[in-house]
Amino acid sequence: DTGVSQDPRHKITKRGQNVTFRCDPISEHNRLYWYRQTLGQGPEFLTYFQNEAQLEKSRLLSDRFSAERPKGSFSTLEIQRTEQGDSAMYLCASSLANREETQYFGPGTRLLVL
Amino acid sequence: AQRVTQPEKLLSVFKGAPVELKCNYSYSGSPELFWYVQYSRQRLQLLLRHISRESIKGFTADLNKGETSFHLKKPFAQEEDSAMYYCALSGHGNNRLAFGKGNQVVVIP
Repeated sequence: DTGVSQDPRHKITKRGQNVTFRCDPISEHNRLYWYRQTLGQGPEFLTYFQNEAQLEKSRLLSDRFSAERPKGSFSTLEIQRTEQGDSAMYLCASSLANREETQYFGPGTRLLVL
Repeated sequence: AQRVTQPEKLLSVFKGAPVELKCNYSYSGSPELFWYVQYSRQRLQLLLRHISRESIKGFTADLNKGETSFHLKKPFAQEEDSAMYYCALSGHGNNRLAFGKGNQVVVIP
């Protein structure tokens, strides 16, 4: 499977713990996006990278959230001091920057904060 | 601000009946509009985009700038069309997608 992959697929943690998610984009894609989806809602944009540069961050991304893409390939999203409100599906997408850019989504990481 | 509205959460139709999913948007510039689909136990995937002006799996969508709408239509629903459908928008000069809340479509055999 050469699509976007995410790890882990599910994570259960206790409030106050730190969690880290990984996203591996499609290999030639230079853009990588993180979205969050809660029950009954569409995905909401969190942040995106072009190569290793983080170019935009949503106001949704509090200072407890940090994302990196150190070598312009895989990315990690860390949530520190998790809260119950962080429970959601975290989606990663990647794309190739061109005129008809299409974002390809991964399967998501489902986080449950107890 | 980018905003997408999908007014109906659940749409049930009989096989062979027409399907129309409504999408309205709010954006001050020139948007790019998309429909994404998520079949059961599968990941979110692009169904169609307005600049392509093509029909995918029998679905079409026309961008109406006057009404700020991008409704999705299919004349004859098939059982395999049962899925979650999301309308999304990206603005000129930015790449992030703003999604609506989605429509659950159930096609009754």
